[in-house]
Amino acid sequence: ETGVTQTPRHLVMGMTNKKSLKCEQHLGHNAMYWYKQSAKKPLELMFVYSLEERVENNSVPSRFSPECPNSSHLFLHLHTLQPEDSALYLCASSPQTGELFFGEGSRLTVL
Amino acid sequence: GQQVMQIPQYQHVQEGEDFTTYCNSSTTLSNIQWYKQRPGGHPVFLIQLVKSGEVKKQKRLTFQFGEAKKNSSLHITATQTTDVGTYFCASGGSYIPTFGRGTSLIVHP
Repeated sequence: ETGVTQTPRHLVMGMTNKKSLKCEQHLGHNAMYWYKQSAKKPLELMFVYSLEERVENNSVPSRFSPECPNSSHLFLHLHTLQPEDSALYLCASSPQTGELFFGEGSRLTVL
Repeated sequence: GQQVMQIPQYQHVQEGEDFTTYCNSSTTLSNIQWYKQRPGGHPVFLIQLVKSGEVKKQKRLTFQFGEAKKNSSLHITATQTTDVGTYFCASGGSYIPTFGRGTSLIVHP
């Protein structure tokens, strides 16, 4: 139990599908993140929300759309993805001291 | 974010041997964080160092932050099979940590 819950844990989708990844944190943190982890690349920061405002958008393609309705919830909406988008998508939250608490990840496969 | 380079990429050791991974930057780092990711798992926060020359220990793990705050190391004494995984360093300003590529530790029994 990490305090950060991600659903679904596994997702298979076609390139024309629309799906969403969900993240919920129960730690009272005020910042939430989406990271992408591919097999041969380092952890890539995608989006950061602090106090529900997006503070970082790391040149992510528009087929990925984040949403942060409140400080406990974070979504990643997926639309017309490519096979190279297949990866582990990790959500994290952090307190003001900056250390990250990750969820278990959502393993995405795009066919 | 602040760029960090991590070496080595892989390290094979026999159980009982020591292990060290290094994190380096060309610029002064505000802090350094270390994480461990077990195979098939997610990164788990281990520790954060913020002071120049800081040394912290967690059982068999020793973490150091360089005097110039441009490098850091994680040393494991007498590795065990439970130490297997990828160790990442990360650094950054408020809310934007950047990760190194990680060092994968393989422990042979």
